[in-house]
Amino acid sequence: QKEVEQNSGPLSVPEGAIASLNCTYSDRGSQSFFWYRQYSGKSPELIMFIYSNGDKEDGRFTAQLNKASQYVSLLIRDSQPSDSATYLCAAIGITGGGNKLTFGTGTQLKVEL
Amino acid sequence: EAQVTQNPRYLITVTGKKLTVTCSQNMNHEYMSWYRQDPGLGLRQIYYSMNVEVTDKGDVPEGYKVSRKEKRNFPLILESPSPNQTSLYFCASSFRPGLAGGITGANVLTFGAGSRLTVL
Repeated sequence: QKEVEQNSGPLSVPEGAIASLNCTYSDRGSQSFFWYRQYSGKSPELIMFIYSNGDKEDGRFTAQLNKASQYVSLLIRDSQPSDSATYLCAAIGITGGGNKLTFGTGTQLKVEL
Repeated sequence: EAQVTQNPRYLITVTGKKLTVTCSQNMNHEYMSWYRQDPGLGLRQIYYSMNVEVTDKGDVPEGYKVSRKEKRNFPLILESPSPNQTSLYFCASSFRPGLAGGITGANVLTFGAGSRLTVL
């Protein structure tokens, strides 16, 4: 079982719609969670991090964390073609002494005109 | 500008020819790490360093070496490259490692631009 799992996609949404990206993790001791965006051939760039159960909003982005269900999601409102990228979910768990950041394999998002 | 700088950005080499990929950060970060990214496998950690002179293996350390003699630099060394090391490599750094970064975001990684390595 992968430690951080994401659907590889592609997830296609029309411009202006809400894109919902999901991630599950296996290490129940995980405490910090991150969403990165990566354009093809480029480096990952942070969108948001979340630490507490519930929602965290930043502009068009909302991260949601449910530790009981071991589930993290990222909502993108009013999706734009420029949001087309691969979205990486990552978690820091207690495995590796609390220093191991594990990435999912990413979900490819396509925002269509 | 705060950044992580990797060099070279692109390299084509042959099997067995030693090479070094440099990584430097100007943010006074304690933690530095190397990842490789391959299609379908995502980002996998090669080595990481908690601070100067402190390094440890990640998930895929075989065939690689690192050193951390100065806080700002964390070079990745391929002593005898093989074709299975053809990949996209990223260096990353953060103020604090892992959970020690807590809720402040001090553990957020900043990535370098990447180094695309081809071993023939």
